[in-house]
Amino acid sequence: QQQVKQSPQSLIVQKGGISIINCAYENTAFDYFPWYQQFPGKGPALLIAIRPDVSEKKEGRFTISFNKSAKQFSLHIMDSQPGDSATYFCAASSYMQGAQKLVFGQGTRLTINP
Amino acid sequence: NAGVMQNPRHLVRRRGQEARLRCSPMKGHSHVYWYRQLPEEGLKFMVYLQKENIIDESGMPKERFSAEFPKEGPSILRIQQVVRGDSAAYFCASSPLDNEQFFGPGTRLTVL
Repeated sequence: QQQVKQSPQSLIVQKGGISIINCAYENTAFDYFPWYQQFPGKGPALLIAIRPDVSEKKEGRFTISFNKSAKQFSLHIMDSQPGDSATYFCAASSYMQGAQKLVFGQGTRLTINP
Repeated sequence: NAGVMQNPRHLVRRRGQEARLRCSPMKGHSHVYWYRQLPEEGLKFMVYLQKENIIDESGMPKERFSAEFPKEGPSILRIQQVVRGDSAAYFCASSPLDNEQFFGPGTRLTVL
């Protein structure tokens, strides 16, 4: 019940295209859903996050779509650029017993072809 | 404003030795989380600490692993008698009182 399932494992998109990564969760207690971007040899960096009281959040070229009833959320990268090539992780957490520990998906390796 | 700092960035140990990983949180952050990332996998929660207190260590192996966050100085993750299966990237994240966690660059541990 603590799992977050992420797909696809890898994704290749042409420059200028839309990259879409999907995640699904089971624990209805989760109330915070961030997306992280990680470059090789670096730590994850927070891209964008959403709470379940909204269905969509947009920041620049990045949009999170959230479907509470289906327990799914997705990341859309518009006008994808070669610099977006990285590994993307979705995560989920709930505030329990004083901790906000993140449960991560397996990651999606995104490659943007020029 | 310096970000989360971790050292060393790379650590090589032989089986049976001790590994000591350090994490200095961002200024003003009093919450530290440690995560482990195996190759080609997502990060897995290990332990959550506040100053001088372990709040949640449910993700940490019961033996050989310990963590502390003293009143002064960095948070330390200690792995005693390392085995090859401990080879991984270890990340710490710091947080103010709300959700957002800021990750350090990680320590890549290799056990020979």
